[in-house]
Amino acid sequence: DAGVIQSPRHEVTEMGQEVTLRCKPISGHDYLFWYRQTMMRGLELLIYFNNNVPIDDSGMPEDRFSAKMPNASFSTLKIQPSEPRDSAVYFCASSSPTGGITGELFFGEGSRLTVL
Amino acid sequence: AQSVTQPDIHITVSEGASLELRCNYSYGATPYLFWYVQSPGQGLQLLLKYFSGDTLVQGIKGFEAEFKRSQSSFNLRKPSVHWSDAAEYFCAGMDSSYKLIFGSGTRLLVRP
Repeated sequence: DAGVIQSPRHEVTEMGQEVTLRCKPISGHDYLFWYRQTMMRGLELLIYFNNNVPIDDSGMPEDRFSAKMPNASFSTLKIQPSEPRDSAVYFCASSSPTGGITGELFFGEGSRLTVL
Repeated sequence: AQSVTQPDIHITVSEGASLELRCNYSYGATPYLFWYVQSPGQGLQLLLKYFSGDTLVQGIKGFEAEFKRSQSSFNLRKPSVHWSDAAEYFCAGMDSSYKLIFGSGTRLLVRP
């Protein structure tokens, strides 16, 4: 079975440009999470969805960040305009509670973003 | 505030030696607790999880962890470390809101 698929794996862009990161969760999973990993702040939960609906976006750093999940098999995280401090590895993860919370998140390999 | 703390940034052990990575949690009720491992350039992989019941849980790759309510701890152990275990290890906690909160991670280095 395919795991969580993220694209692009690497992105280098200039300050002010729009960045779009993409995620395809594991088929059948109804929870999707976006995390950001930096040396300074570790792994931060940005936002998560359940059945395509955003449940908690309190971790989204500011209005420059937005996330969507138009259907069960696709999500995007957009940064507009990007800034150098947005440089990080962005992870997408999906999960499927069965009869309750199982808690196992399956992670993609991440998208490494560098903003110059 | 709910949090998970990993007090050790780096741990170095010799191959074949035993390992214990520390994790402390701060939650109002007993949280769900997890250990994940991240190899360089990779995503995170679940090693083991604790929800309730037996406080000693077994995971993959020979790892185990023990939940100790009195110490608010969930330490990860392995009796004999292999060079391939060198990675970063994250403890995480989840409450009923289903938000998984990670600790800051412990980087494990293995000496030949």
